[in-house]
Amino acid sequence: QSVLTQPPSVSAAPGQKVTISCSGSSSNIGDNYVSWYQQLPATAPKFLIYENNKRPSGIPDRFSGSKSGTSATLDITGLQTGDEADYYCATWDTSLSAGVFGGGTKLTVI
Amino acid sequence: EVQVLESGGGLVQPGGSLRLSCVASGFTSGLTFGMYAMSWVRQAPGKGLEWVSGISGSGTNIYYAESAKGRFTISRDNSKNTLFLQMNSLRAEDTAVYFCAKEWGVLPAAMVQYWGQGTLVIVSP
Repeated sequence: QSVLTQPPSVSAAPGQKVTISCSGSSSNIGDNYVSWYQQLPATAPKFLIYENNKRPSGIPDRFSGSKSGTSATLDITGLQTGDEADYYCATWDTSLSAGVFGGGTKLTVI
Repeated sequence: EVQVLESGGGLVQPGGSLRLSCVASGFTSGLTFGMYAMSWVRQAPGKGLEWVSGISGSGTNIYYAESAKGRFTISRDNSKNTLFLQMNSLRAEDTAVYFCAKEWGVLPAAMVQYWGQGTLVIVSP
């Protein structure tokens, strides 16, 4: 059972928008920055969003992140078939003094 | 661009030990390996990502997941741009791909900017 809770799966049609949620607590999301990762099948994860809403160089603005209280969300607009992947949120947990990941959300573009 | 390359994975019996290594390269513009925290993140077959351990840029601050405490030891050699994970008393549930991870800042924050390709650890009789 992950400390951060994500929906196991989401789906949407090409060109549409999808939102992936990440729920935590006051000791993790509520107290620290959130980051997001994209993992395509059989590859290493990719840095997608950091410090809640910032995009690393090279990440298109179709990907955006936000945080409110003890929850965070990743929005992907203009969905493409190449966006099919697993998406993970992560943050630091101040009480655990450890990093924590969400269980992951599988995005299907149908 | 920074690259990280892990090594040291393999097949080990339950109760055995293994030492993972990770070399980071590609630091430019006055930036150095010692300026960044490093972490290990693992992924069991068909499962999600699990943060295992993190170490600050200087090596002073060290953190472990509950599953790793008392069995795993993280360390780094900044003169060789190398990160290590000594794993003892290995269990079947430690079977996973272990990713070396360069963090965004000087302290571990589970904010991984660069990932290695991973090294597979299999714990089995």
